[in-house]
Amino acid sequence: DVKVTQSSRYLVKRTGEKVFLECVQDMDHENMFWYRQDPGLGLRLIYFSYDVKMKEKGDIPEGYSVSREKKERFSLILESASTNQTSMYLCASSPTKTYNEQFFGPGTRLTVL
Amino acid sequence: SQQGEEDPQALSIQEGENATMNCSYKTSINNLQWYRQNSGRGLVHLILIRSNEREKHSGRLRVTLDTSKKSSSLLITASRAADTASYFCANGRQGNLIFGKGTKLSVKP
Repeated sequence: DVKVTQSSRYLVKRTGEKVFLECVQDMDHENMFWYRQDPGLGLRLIYFSYDVKMKEKGDIPEGYSVSREKKERFSLILESASTNQTSMYLCASSPTKTYNEQFFGPGTRLTVL
Repeated sequence: SQQGEEDPQALSIQEGENATMNCSYKTSINNLQWYRQNSGRGLVHLILIRSNEREKHSGRLRVTLDTSKKSSSLLITASRAADTASYFCANGRQGNLIFGKGTKLSVKP
């Protein structure tokens, strides 16, 4: 079975802190994605990556950056956390470039105080 | 926004009843997918229907697709309390998926 893991289920940070959210998948998938999920807004794509060292902006990249140094790992970075980045963050991976099924991690609920 | 829309936003039924959720989307699609999310967890893929298919079944799930109306429906038959979750449709765009806002289904025992 595909397994996507995220480094933390719950995280509490202070405004201005640098925050790293880590995602690891064990199925050699090319594509990885970061979403945020907020009540009433559904899932919104922050960044995605089709390959190592490649990244593409999604619909809401402002305030975020990403890193993909290894195929299995995709990190989301909040350079200076703000309260409006309090949200549920979901990582996903998929095997090819076409519109395939995505496999999701359990999510990280981030609270920025 | 290219997001799809699920309808209704919330649905409450009794165990044993059927649940129908609808999804509309805005652009042409390669396929349409349905996902399920239990409270506070990640999404799980349920079923995928390709743009040249009209209906697909998987266990108690039945999905239909009408590309002329840009809409899809998910039917869960003989619902169980364990089906309580949020359900999302997603359609493909430039290699990515666009998710709707979801239907929150509550199945009462």
